[in-house]
This record gives sequence, C-alpha cells and structure tokens, in this order.
Amino acid sequence: AQSVTQLGSHVSVSEGALVLLRCNYSSSVPPYLFWYVQYPNQGLQLLLKYTSAATLVKGINGFEAEFKKSETSFHLTKPSAHMSDAAEYFCAVRGFRAGNNRKLIWGLGTSLAVNP
Amino acid sequence: NAGVTQTPKFRVLKTGQSMTLLCAQDMNHEYMYWYRQDPGMGLRLIHYSVGEGTTAKGEVPDGYNVSRLKKQNFLLGLESAAPSQTSVYFCASSYAGASNQPQHFGDGTRLSIL
Repeated sequence: AQSVTQLGSHVSVSEGALVLLRCNYSSSVPPYLFWYVQYPNQGLQLLLKYTSAATLVKGINGFEAEFKKSETSFHLTKPSAHMSDAAEYFCAVRGFRAGNNRKLIWGLGTSLAVNP
Repeated sequence: NAGVTQTPKFRVLKTGQSMTLLCAQDMNHEYMYWYRQDPGMGLRLIHYSVGEGTTAKGEVPDGYNVSRLKKQNFLLGLESAAPSQTSVYFCASSYAGASNQPQHFGDGTRLSIL
C-alpha cells in the first residue's frame, strides 16, 4: 500500500533562511509525487510535481524538490524564505496501481511559519 | 477562467438538517473529488467520480451522498447533518489523461453543524 509521511507538522524559519520540508513516501512502483501549498482560508494550489523526467523539479515561488529513490524521499526546499511563504504544505503520491482512478495519497501537512 | 467553484463558501446548520454543496468546474475534467479537511487529519477523500453518471466511495463516505448528473458539476449531500461533519469541504477535479495530471481545487466550503 502506498503512504506518505511528512516529518514535522510545524516548521518555523526566519525570513531569508533555508526552507526544508520533508516528505517520504512508500510505493512499490515508481510514484508520481506532488507538493501543494494552502494559504489561509484558501484551497490547495499545486507547487510542483515529479513525473520521472528529472529528479530535481522546480516549482512556483522559488520552490524546488529533489526525488531520491534510494531514500524514498521528495523533500521541498527554498533557499530563502519570504514572509509570504507562511502556509500549509502537503505532499501527495499517486502510483501506477491499476484502477486507482487517479486518487492521491496525502500527507498530513506541514505548517510553515516565517519569522521576521 | 474560474477553474473550480464551490458554493456556498460558508454555512451553519442545525443537527438533523440537510444540505447540498455544489462544485462546478469549467476545465472539462473527467475526474472530480470531494474531500474534508480537519485539523491534524489532512485531507480525507469522501467520494469521487470518474465521469458523468458515475460515483464511488472514498475513505470516509458515511453520512454523505453525491451525484454527477453533468460532467461539470459534482454535488455533495448531507442527508441529516451531525456535529461530526463540521469541517472544511474541498472539491477538486483532474484531467483523465496521464497519471501525472494534478488535481485542481476550489476554495472550500466551511460548514458548521450546531
């Protein structure tokens, strides 16, 4: 069965510091991986997705994620945090299992706080 | 380009009342989903649809019904609301092409059951 684990439900960084949000997945087949961001009182917005074309994926707002098969990880990073990055971040996985009907398996989310 | 639109945005119900949440998408997506989001529990799939006229149960379907009479609309019904159904409800849709297609979300409906 596929699963997603986001390490750390709350992460706090200073403005200008590196952002690192961790995501580990469990899948018996090569996965499709996604990172979404949710700003307060809004829906989820796609940040980036991994689709096996490249292990380093660049997304919107300066975020990027690296797929590491050996570590079953897809951590999200941003070199320099901005106050506007404060939000909830979700990692999700979809595998190649037949009949999965395009369902995503979601992590529980990581709340990012950015301190001035 | 509206994307995914959910109505209403807020609603307060009394226990036992019924209501319908509407989701409309203008992207001609085949797949549609209803989630609920509760603190510390992430997103949980209630029901989903892979096409007009078809629906299926997700992780937490009890107490909810859905209908997809038109491709662009996906309705979520609460027959007899309970306080445990107080939540934020999100609708999403996705293209039926390659598996790397992301889900697109509405802004949510905040529902309180008193």
